[in-house]
Amino acid sequence: EPEVTQTPSHQVTQMGQEVILRCVPISNHLYFYWYRQILGQKVEFLVSFYNNEISEKSEIFDDQFSVERPDGSNFTLKIRSTKLEDSAMYFCASNRDRGVTYEQYFGPGTRLTVT
Amino acid sequence: QQQVKQSPQSLIVQKGGISIINCAYENTAFDYFPWYQQFPGKGPALLIAIRPDVSEKKEGRFTISFNKSAKQFSLHIMDSQPGDSATYFCAARDSGGGADGLTFGKGTHLIIQP
Repeated sequence: EPEVTQTPSHQVTQMGQEVILRCVPISNHLYFYWYRQILGQKVEFLVSFYNNEISEKSEIFDDQFSVERPDGSNFTLKIRSTKLEDSAMYFCASNRDRGVTYEQYFGPGTRLTVT
Repeated sequence: QQQVKQSPQSLIVQKGGISIINCAYENTAFDYFPWYQQFPGKGPALLIAIRPDVSEKKEGRFTISFNKSAKQFSLHIMDSQPGDSATYFCAARDSGGGADGLTFGKGTHLIIQP
């Protein structure tokens, strides 16, 4: 069964550094998402992406965040200057066609630790 | 208005019993209500979902009951098993403005005792 994959599984970085989190969505999916989950808290929506454009973003997704689909398979989340409060699990998700089926499938996540 | 309120925060059920988790919402633009199951260190896995045009959906031991007028929905796990021990999140999708980011509840930590 096709799965969303994410790399790395764990990233440790120093405050102020840039990090790039990578995702490979399910191959025939067209809509891509990033969510985050601070330890012990609920999953929070960050951004959705379709046709090489951001289609929606939350208030969490400020100017330090950016997303990109650099090629036909990868979807990346960049955090420009990490803060301690960016420490969280980051999940990528994908959806085949949100107008027909709303199911979003999540990857295993990247644990980001900012020190 | 965008919140989804989930209860209880934690739940202990005996093996073979029925686990019930409840969610409530205010935003009438929500049009899709999935439940996700999450094991420690893993991503949320889609379990079952419902749209507001039906009042109940059943898949195996998992049932969603949906009450549109009360703006509430619940997950029932029949014949609960120790392998069902996980955190369960309800979520909702707001279709307004072409958006489809999910709004999640705070989660329910379910323990099934053998």
